[in-house]
Amino acid sequence: GESVGLHLPTLSVQEGDNSIINCAYSNSASDYFIWYKQESGKGPQFIIDIRSNMDKRQGQRVTVLLNKTVKHLSLQIAATQPGDSAVYFCAGALAGNNRKLIWGLGTSLAVNP
Amino acid sequence: DGGITQSPKYLFRKEGQNVTLSCEQNLNHDAMYWYRQDPGQGLRLIYYSQIVNDFQKGDIAEGYSVSREKKESFPLTVTSAQKNPTAFYLCASEDRGRGNQPQHFGDGTRLSIL
Repeated sequence: GESVGLHLPTLSVQEGDNSIINCAYSNSASDYFIWYKQESGKGPQFIIDIRSNMDKRQGQRVTVLLNKTVKHLSLQIAATQPGDSAVYFCAGALAGNNRKLIWGLGTSLAVNP
Repeated sequence: DGGITQSPKYLFRKEGQNVTLSCEQNLNHDAMYWYRQDPGQGLRLIYYSQIVNDFQKGDIAEGYSVSREKKESFPLTVTSAQKNPTAFYLCASEDRGRGNQPQHFGDGTRLSIL
């Protein structure tokens, strides 16, 4: 069945370093992907999205890369800050009218001062 | 400020009791969603509604019910038939009228059993 999963459940980085969080998906019909950040006790917060006709999209300190050949996407956070500590989820939407999101399990990012 | 409001933040349920979780949005979004989140797991879809007076079951609808009488509101009832209701419940909305758009989330309701 469809799945969106993360390569690593936890990631620990030093403040100021760049972080890379990875996500793999199984259904090639997925055409829209979203990264969310979830802090403890709060709902997921939208970070950045990318459509399948793009390979790369940049935001403020964040970049998402999409490799459709190997069904992989990554979130890169530049100059990671303590406030970036959270769980990061990727989600993919299947093309069509339904457009339900399929969610990964999340990666917990810990930023060490 | 536009957004999604979930209430209450914490809720306790007794055995055999139905409880209702509130979700209100002022974003003028047509679509609304209810998810369940358990520790160490991703979000699982309970119910969703793409338009007023219409809703569909998600992947784990058993033991839950919803209504969508108003565009702004999408309450979720956790019935006594849901034997393991302890979880973090998240409501989301989406603007379906502008192509691919992200879902926007409330800050959740944590439900526990007394």
